[in-house]
Amino acid sequence: RKEVEQDPGPFNVPEGATVAFNCTYSNSASQSFFWYRQDCRKEPKLLMSVYSSGNEDGRFTAQLNRASQYISLLIRDSKLSDSATYLCVVNKGSNYQLIWGAGTKLIIKP
Amino acid sequence: GAVVSQHPSWVICKSGTSVKIECRSLDFQATTMFWYRQFPKQSLMLMATSNEGSKATYEQGVEKDKFLINHASLTLSTLTVTSAHPEDSSFYICSARVPGEDGYTFGSGTRLTVV
Repeated sequence: RKEVEQDPGPFNVPEGATVAFNCTYSNSASQSFFWYRQDCRKEPKLLMSVYSSGNEDGRFTAQLNRASQYISLLIRDSKLSDSATYLCVVNKGSNYQLIWGAGTKLIIKP
Repeated sequence: GAVVSQHPSWVICKSGTSVKIECRSLDFQATTMFWYRQFPKQSLMLMATSNEGSKATYEQGVEKDKFLINHASLTLSTLTVTSAHPEDSSFYICSARVPGEDGYTFGSGTRLTVV
């Protein structure tokens, strides 16, 4: 089992729709969780951290479920510019090393 | 926000040559720099963690003699791919944690093509 698993997609979604995807992680000692966005041939950029209580940033909502060891990302009112690969990132226990999911590709269509 | 400057952005080299990639932290001190490699349609794979003033820690399966890492100052870490071969062609990217900020800041990446 991979340490961080994501559905690779692609998710083809019409503009304006709401889309959500999950990521599961295997290390129960993980403390930090992030969603990154990566555009083709570019470096990843932090989208948002994921807090235990869940957090929202504009159209984006992230949730953490420690019991089931997954995090989720919800995008509302999707825009064409949301098309990208979304990477789930989990720290490796208590240290700063990160484990990266392979990413979920999202394609927003007009 | 804090920036990690990575150079070169892309490089094409011949088999057997060595390539050096630099990552500089601007406006902050990076005591630790993470070096990743990403093959097409795959996740970022951590290669090694460099620590200023000490030896780098390599992940299992990464040859330390082939991927030389130097972190001589708090603002500069370098990765040298020695005797590069076509299978080393990949996207190499560095990352550092910025004190006081969430997440990690990445360099812009280096696309290495070995011919």
